[in-house]
Amino acid sequence: DQQVKQNSPSLSVQEGRISILNCDYTNSMFDYFLWYKKYPAEGPTFLISISSIKDKNEDGRFTVFLNKSAKHLSLHIVPSQPGDSAVYFCAAPARGLHGPPNNDMRFGAGTRLTVKP
Amino acid sequence: EAGVAQSPRYKIIEKRQSVAFWCNPISGHATLYWYQQILGQGPKLLIQFQNNGVVDDSQLPKDRFSAERLKGVDSTLKIQPAKLEDSAVYLCASSLDRAGGTDTQYFGPGTRLTVL
Repeated sequence: DQQVKQNSPSLSVQEGRISILNCDYTNSMFDYFLWYKKYPAEGPTFLISISSIKDKNEDGRFTVFLNKSAKHLSLHIVPSQPGDSAVYFCAAPARGLHGPPNNDMRFGAGTRLTVKP
Repeated sequence: EAGVAQSPRYKIIEKRQSVAFWCNPISGHATLYWYQQILGQGPKLLIQFQNNGVVDDSQLPKDRFSAERLKGVDSTLKIQPAKLEDSAVYLCASSLDRAGGTDTQYFGPGTRLTVL
């Protein structure tokens, strides 16, 4: 049961423009969401997170937006840089913040972002 | 600070053979995770340890997969016997296990397993 979905396998944007990566979830119990970034031959690295008590969290060029009613979140990268080219995973712990940290983490299939110089 | 170490990085075996992967988490991290990432999919949690105890192994195929974390530090994941569908990248991660709230996971580079 894929509870976290990333329906766009790839995205290509021009350097300096905005990149928008989307993620949908089906489990209304999810209350905490994370984005990970993965370069080839490396493990994923944590990028940014958001709790369901917020609808926006910003960290430098990265902003995550959460729309609870639509069960949708998005990651905005502005401005996009060639070094941002990677696979981005959306994830959520199945028992949310009420369970142990990182409990039963559910990942989307990932979106491969290519930023062209 | 050294990251999560995994070995081997690559392994090719024939079906029905056995294979073992090793993980050394970041020093001081109490929680250790093993994930399976099949090509084109996101990582799927196989097992989660806190120190040397199992927190969650509900998605571990226990008829062929086993994992241990003796002494609460290093961990090994074993597959015996392997099937073609076990071809994947096996990721190990660790986290500090702060009480309550969030706890960043740090991933190793993974072991790419190919079963022929």
